[in-house]
Amino acid sequence: SQQGEEDPQALSIQEGENATMNCSYKTSINNLQWYRQNSGRGLVHLILIRSNEREKHSGRLRVTLDTSKKSSSLLITASRAADTASYFCATDANLPEYGNKLVFGAGTILRVKS
Amino acid sequence: DGGITQSPKYLFRKEGQNVTLSCEQNLNHDAMYWYRQDPGQGLRLIYYSQIVNDFQKGDIAEGYSVSREKKESFPLTVTSAQKNPTAFYLCASSIGDRGEQYFGPGTRLTVT
Repeated sequence: SQQGEEDPQALSIQEGENATMNCSYKTSINNLQWYRQNSGRGLVHLILIRSNEREKHSGRLRVTLDTSKKSSSLLITASRAADTASYFCATDANLPEYGNKLVFGAGTILRVKS
Repeated sequence: DGGITQSPKYLFRKEGQNVTLSCEQNLNHDAMYWYRQDPGQGLRLIYYSQIVNDFQKGDIAEGYSVSREKKESFPLTVTSAQKNPTAFYLCASSIGDRGEQYFGPGTRLTVT
C-alpha cells in the first residue's frame, strides 16, 4: 500500500544551493514524517509535522504541509556534500485499515556536488 | 549508549535454509518494527509489535515469522517459504505507535 510518493526521484545540485523534495499522499493523516538514509545505513528521523501544522523548521530544514492538496515539501537550504542521501516521507494514515503504522514512499535520491 | 543494534551486518545463506536476524533495543520503547528494503525502493513493513507477546502482520508478512518475548528484543526469521529473501532488512522502534521511529543499521541478507 504505497501511501506517499516523493518527487523528484533523483536530484543533483551544487553545494550551497537549496534542495526541494515533494511528497504526495492519498488519505487523511495524523502526521507526516521525513527521514534521511545514507547509503547502506539505517534511516534517521528528521522532522515530524502534524496534520494541524502548516510549516515546521529544524536548522537548515523547512517542511511544509498542505492537507487540502495532500502534499508536503522538504527544503534543505545551503546544501552541503554531507547532505547527499536518500530522503523519505512517511505518513501516519488516519484510517483503520492502515492500523498503527507508518507508510513510506520510495524516496528522493539527493546528490550534492562539491 | 542508547540505540538499536542489528546483527550481523551481512548474512549469507543457501536457498532452503531458515535464518534469524537479530534486533535489540535499549531505548525502553514499546513498539518495534521490521521492514524490508529492495534496491531503489522504499520500506515495506513485514511485522510490527506494540507490546511484549503481541505482534501484527504488515504488508508483506508471508514467508517471515517473529517473536516478542522480551521488550528489548524482536528477532525476525526468514523462512524457506519466502520466495525472494535477498534484501536489506531494517529494524526500528518507537515510544508509541505514532511517533518518530528509531532505526538500526540494517542487515543485508543474500540468499543463493
